[in-house]
Amino acid sequence: DVVMTQSPLSLPVTLGQPASISCRSSQSLVHSDGNTYLNWFQQRPGQSPRRLIYKISNRDSGVPDRFSGSGSGTDFTLKISRVEAEDVGVYYCMQGTHLWTFGQGTKVEIK
Amino acid sequence: EVQLVESGGGLVQPGGSLRLSCVASGFMFSSYSMDWLRQAPGKGLEWLSHIGSGNIYINYAESVRGRFTISRDDAENSLYLQMNSLRDEDTAVYYCARDARGSADYWGQGTLVIVSS
Repeated sequence: DVVMTQSPLSLPVTLGQPASISCRSSQSLVHSDGNTYLNWFQQRPGQSPRRLIYKISNRDSGVPDRFSGSGSGTDFTLKISRVEAEDVGVYYCMQGTHLWTFGQGTKVEIK
Repeated sequence: EVQLVESGGGLVQPGGSLRLSCVASGFMFSSYSMDWLRQAPGKGLEWLSHIGSGNIYINYAESVRGRFTISRDDAENSLYLQMNSLRDEDTAVYYCARDARGSADYWGQGTLVIVSS
């Protein structure tokens, strides 16, 4: 199984400041079709997960442009350029190249 | 608007069975693969099972293989998860999700399953 490792697991952030979450996979996520199926999800308290980013860096419709994804191979990052109050929640990376596995989650909270 | 609505959760004793349903709307259900996932209380997300369009491909996580069975009824726009031999550790919120080639682009609101005597 592909293991996804996120860091940090807890991220206190000041409103308006940037935030960054790292996600590393135990093996390359480059699929035989050439795509890299690395996704980012946001789960607000009491809600279902919501996809923010797919294939490393593609934002879903309605996702604010303060969210961005980057990376390649086994090393990926989610960045929030300026954290807002509505960004509080748990963020998960997920790989969809070798079945599906998720990172442990990173809890973003306001300082 | 894409909607996925799960039902069928509840309290069940260890060793018991439960059947979860997920009704889809707002898209051509028969054209999409679908998945079940779960989240234990206070824990992360776990993928459980996948069913392809036309039932061509079915797969399970090791944690549920042999105990859970995924199925679909395209005429009813419905996805199912038959869960047998339930264990305490199966207690979780169960989600259905639309499979968008290497990702889950839409999720339901979840249904809670509690396995306890």
